[in-house]
Amino acid sequence: AQTVTQSQPEMSVQEAETVTLSCTYDTSESDYYLFWYKQPPSRQMILVIRQEAYKQQNATENRFSVNFQKAAKSFSLKISDSQLGDAAMYFCAWGSEKLVFGKGTKLTVNP
Amino acid sequence: ETGVTQTPRHLVMGMTNKKSLKCEQHLGHNAMYWYKQSAKKPLELMFVYNFKEQTENNSVPSRFSPECPNSSHLFLHLHTLQPEDSALYLCASSQARGTSGANVLTFGAGSRLTVL
Repeated sequence: AQTVTQSQPEMSVQEAETVTLSCTYDTSESDYYLFWYKQPPSRQMILVIRQEAYKQQNATENRFSVNFQKAAKSFSLKISDSQLGDAAMYFCAWGSEKLVFGKGTKLTVNP
Repeated sequence: ETGVTQTPRHLVMGMTNKKSLKCEQHLGHNAMYWYKQSAKKPLELMFVYNFKEQTENNSVPSRFSPECPNSSHLFLHLHTLQPEDSALYLCASSQARGTSGANVLTFGAGSRLTVL
């Protein structure tokens, strides 16, 4: 079965510090995409970053970057210079057309 | 404001009621989705529509009935629900299935459903 595992139900970080959220997935496919979505208290899921599996280079979007290890099936999200507005649930997802989501990690940012 | 709008934001209904959730997107997308989000569980894909045609139904009970009259609107009709159906129902849209943008989902803010 294709699954996505986020092993950290909750994480906390001090404002301006760096935090890394973990994600592993299981698939036998070779061509797929990986995603991190953010869901703040407003409930709207927002795409943070997308990685194409065939690309070696790790995706980066401003303060957000990923560490993609295809052989290990690992896709962690690093948030640098954390801000109060980064507090949210973060969901990792895998797929090509149909996405499979993890259970999420709740990130708290402490002032 | 999001390009995907869901109404109502909150809904409380009894098990014998009939209600509907509405989703509207202004992004020019041709695929629309319903997801169920329950506490401490991964998002569950319920239905997929591509150019108004249903392309996926993930074994969803018949008490949930989707309707997609056009590529911009998606409804979820609810009847004789159970308390375990209480959840956040998220609508999403994307470019048409089979295109490179099909997996980039834009979500609405969800409809929080409580079944008494």
